[in-house]
Amino acid sequence: DARVTQTPRHKVTEMGQEVTMRCQPILGHNTVFWYRQTMMQGLELLAYFRNRAPLDDSGMPKDRFSAEMPDATLATLKIQPSEPRDSAVYFCASGLRGEQFFGPGTRLTVL
Amino acid sequence: TQLLEQSPQFLSIQEGENLTVYCNSSSVFSSLQWYRQEPGEGPVLLVTVVTGGEVKKLKRLTFQFGDARKDSSLHITAAQPGDTGLYLCAGVNFNKFYFGSGTKLNVKP
Repeated sequence: DARVTQTPRHKVTEMGQEVTMRCQPILGHNTVFWYRQTMMQGLELLAYFRNRAPLDDSGMPKDRFSAEMPDATLATLKIQPSEPRDSAVYFCASGLRGEQFFGPGTRLTVL
Repeated sequence: TQLLEQSPQFLSIQEGENLTVYCNSSSVFSSLQWYRQEPGEGPVLLVTVVTGGEVKKLKRLTFQFGDARKDSSLHITAAQPGDTGLYLCAGVNFNKFYFGSGTKLNVKP
């Protein structure tokens, strides 16, 4: 049963600390998406990759967020330095041919 | 920005009732998807509609794509407590997904 996995599931950190979230996409999927979900803004696209190349990261605050795919089995989203307004659930999704499958998310709390 | 508005935002009904959720936009999409999300989990894809006017049925759920491919509806017949969750629509263009704000459905036994 192929699934997208994300680690950690929960992260509590203090303002100013670096946060790294990891995602393992489903094997064979060629697109990877990072989303952020909050009560106020709903589900927002932060960045997406096709065949490991970044195609669009216009939804991401560039000064503190970065997204990479060092290999086909790992995608990372990094926040440095983190701020309280970054508190949200971050989802990774992988996809093929117009469909996407979401991971369980990382719930981030920045104090 | 390609915005999708969903209505209603919240819906609380009794088991056995019917309901319709709407997803509207001023933008045209190549396809539209509906997802259901349960607490603590990621959204799960229910259906993709591609052709204007298309209707798809998934057991008690009926999905329709507007003729102009700008809007969609989800109709649930005889709702059950297991239908409880957040329903999200997403418009798709050039492999980018634009999500609506969601409709939170609560079905009471």
